[in-house]
Formats: sequence, C-alpha cells, structure tokens
Amino acid sequence: NAGVTQTPKFRILKIGQSMTLQCTQDMNHNYMYWYRQDPGMGLKLIYYSVGAGITDKGEVPNGYNVSRSTTEDFPLRLELAAPSQTSVYFCASSYISAPQSSPLHFGNGTRLTVT
Amino acid sequence: EDQVTQSPEALRLQEGESSSLNCSYTVSGLRGLFWYRQDPGKGPEFLFTLYSAGEEKEKERLKATLTKKESFLHITAPKPEDSATYLCAVQAFNYGGSQGNLIFGKGTKLSVKP
Repeated sequence: NAGVTQTPKFRILKIGQSMTLQCTQDMNHNYMYWYRQDPGMGLKLIYYSVGAGITDKGEVPNGYNVSRSTTEDFPLRLELAAPSQTSVYFCASSYISAPQSSPLHFGNGTRLTVT
Repeated sequence: EDQVTQSPEALRLQEGESSSLNCSYTVSGLRGLFWYRQDPGKGPEFLFTLYSAGEEKEKERLKATLTKKESFLHITAPKPEDSATYLCAVQAFNYGGSQGNLIFGKGTKLSVKP
C-alpha cells in the first residue's frame, strides 16, 4: 500500500499566486487532515474532514480552502499566496476517531516557499 | 490554555547511552497522548498512544510512560538509527470527536553517535 501520497514535494510560488496541494490515501480512511509545520514550531491543524462532502476548520484555516469529493482525495487550495504561508504541509488520515483512537498516518509533506 | 512542552529541544547521546525525553502537558481533560517519530524530510510516524496515568507501552528500545502531568519516552541502549525528532501530541476532551485536533509539542531532536 502507498499510504498517504502528497504532491508536489517542493514548490516555489510568487506572492499572489494560487496552487493546490494534492493528497490521496489508499487505506479507505474516513478522516483526513491538513497540517502545517513551521521551523521550531509544533504541527498546526489547518482543516480536517470526517468523510466525503464534510469538512471543517482547524486552528489556522485563514488563506486556505479544502474540498472532499471522494474518500481518497483531500486537496488543499491556497489562494493569493503570502510569505506567511511558507511552510511544510502534511496531509494525514485515520480510520476512526476517539475514544477508540487510531493513529494518524502522515504523508511525506510538501515544502512550499512563497517569495 | 491547553499546551504541550517537550524537553530537551535537542539531545546528543553516545550509542548505548540510555536517556529519557520529556513531554509535559496542560489540558482540561486528557483523551489521549501520542508519540511520533519524524525523520528529516519525512512525515511523522506513529509510535505509541497512552490514555491513562500509569500506562506504559514498549517497542524495541523505546518505552513510553504517562503520569497526570507528563509523559516520558525512555530510550534504552540507543543506536544511531534511533536518531530522529520525537514529537509528542495530546488530544483534549474539549476538542470534540476528531482525533486530528491534536496539540503538538515542538519536538526533541535526538542524535545518537556511534
């Protein structure tokens, strides 16, 4: 199994440009998440989805949008990129939620630089 | 405010030199505490989940323990391949049903020299 696959691995954007970070998982997980990881900081939740057609904001949603049309895919859209969005973005998935928590499975990240 | 603090920020060990990493947390009600390992350029990889004070879990040279205020990740006789950043995360009851609403610490970067 491939697990969680993210594309692209690296990307450089100019201020004001837009892009979509792709995430797909082949584990039939209902829950999917987008995190960002800034140097020296903990992972922060951007958006999450509990199933196809259902999404909700996390801790730092401003400047981002998501959609979940299928169980497998959970793309993250950046509109009008800003330098503050320079970060490493991780997509994750899990089978079920608490109290019978299953661990998050992470992709290998997309390193985004906005200049 | 709910928060997670990991210490030390970085730890250098000689191969075979046992030590512990600390994760202290402040949450209104702990639903679960998670340990992840992260290698450079990779996503975090799940290690352990702990739910209640007194609980312990082991995997190879790693042992995680939990008290009401902190968790320890004990590394016994580490090898160079144990070098990585170790992340601690907690889930609080007031974050609702999604396990993804985790509060992550900043991590401890472990280097093990041969």
